[in-house]
Amino acid sequence: AQTVTQSQPEMSVQEAETVTLSCTYDTSESNYYLFWYKQPPSRQMILVIRQEAYKQQNATENRFSVNFQKAAKSFSLKISDSQLGDTAMYFCAFRSGGSNYKLTFGKGTLLTVNP
Amino acid sequence: NAGVTQTPKFQVLKTGQSMTLQCAQDMNHEYMSWYRQDPGMGLRLIHYSVGAGITDQGEVPNGYNVSRSTTEDFPLRLLSAAPSQTSVYFCASSYSKNSPLHFGNGTRLTVT
Repeated sequence: AQTVTQSQPEMSVQEAETVTLSCTYDTSESNYYLFWYKQPPSRQMILVIRQEAYKQQNATENRFSVNFQKAAKSFSLKISDSQLGDTAMYFCAFRSGGSNYKLTFGKGTLLTVNP
Repeated sequence: NAGVTQTPKFQVLKTGQSMTLQCAQDMNHEYMSWYRQDPGMGLRLIHYSVGAGITDQGEVPNGYNVSRSTTEDFPLRLLSAAPSQTSVYFCASSYSKNSPLHFGNGTRLTVT
């Protein structure tokens, strides 16, 4: 079974600075999908970014980018120019590329952006 | 554009009571799933469905039942509520394996 590990339960960053959230995963598959979800205090789950394992290029969405290291099974999220609205719980998630639709989540990292 | 709709938003049950959490999506997604979220545990998969008439167990299925009679609806039934089922429950759906999950707004359930 796949596992997803987020080693930082909590992090903080000053507004306008850059922060990186770590995620590692364990799988024997070569084709899979990785996601970062954001959960603000409103409890809503919001997709931040996704990466397809067969794509070498790191995904980017505005201030959010990933560092995907397939051999190391690492999928970190970098947030540039942090804003107060980035304060949230961030979850890393893994989905197999086979017929299995299941999404496996890490335990989350609580990010606080300080003014 | 409703997306994934979960009802109710909040619920309090007494131990032993049963209830159904409702989930509906209007995006014609084949895949639907239920997760529970507990502090320090992330989201754990309870049950999922890859189409009408097809359901399967996830990581923590005990004490829960599901059915999928239509593409749109995927209700989660608690057969005999226990305090260990106090949690926030999320329903989610997706169009395909490489599509992201669309989440409902969650149901906070407390069992006393």
